[in-house]
Amino acid sequence: ETGVTQTPRHLVMGMTNKKSLKCEQHLGHNAMYWYKQSAKKPLELMFVYNFKEQTENNSVPSRFSPECPNSSHLFLHLHTLQPEDSALYLCASSQEQGAVYGYTFGSGTRLTVV
Amino acid sequence: AQSVTQLDSHVSVSEGTPVLLRCNYSSSYSPSLFWYVQHPNKGLQLLLKYTSAATLVKGINGFEAEFKKSETSFHLTKPSAHMSDAAEYFCVVSDGGGTSYGKLTFGQGTILTVHP
Repeated sequence: ETGVTQTPRHLVMGMTNKKSLKCEQHLGHNAMYWYKQSAKKPLELMFVYNFKEQTENNSVPSRFSPECPNSSHLFLHLHTLQPEDSALYLCASSQEQGAVYGYTFGSGTRLTVV
Repeated sequence: AQSVTQLDSHVSVSEGTPVLLRCNYSSSYSPSLFWYVQHPNKGLQLLLKYTSAATLVKGINGFEAEFKKSETSFHLTKPSAHMSDAAEYFCVVSDGGGTSYGKLTFGQGTILTVHP
């Protein structure tokens, strides 16, 4: 275990469903990130939170809605997704926003939209 | 602006032989560079990082990488491959300033296969 825990590990949802992905870290980190990993494409940054404030939204469609209630928890709320949203969603954390601190990644949630 | 190119999408080696995974980068500022590894159905694990200290960086599991500014390269090497090294490896760059400061840009990944 890396210290960043993502649940669920696998999720299958219909296009009309609403579901949420959860990420939790107890590393004392203050920055948290959502990444999308699709087949044959580089990792795409979706959202960044630093000290609970959203500092980056990388032009993500509104059907993805993040929530960061505290520095230890990060959610990604999903609704009316499309099949092309099927991917591995990775959460990461770092001491503060900034790559020099090194990111710790979770194992990801494998999402399939049917 | 920053970008990273992993020159091989697949590398295949025999167990016990050296590993070389190639990475070139571009950066407008002094970059930080990283190698991450991803085993099947797992998240990404940091192997090593360069952040403007020694140019030869040693990481976990016997891997190391050398930052060569003149060649804009950050190749990953290991003297002797082990079966457990089979995974996908990502080279990552982060600009030291500008609008990309603090952001990671990932390469496309190199899948390493290790044969017995």
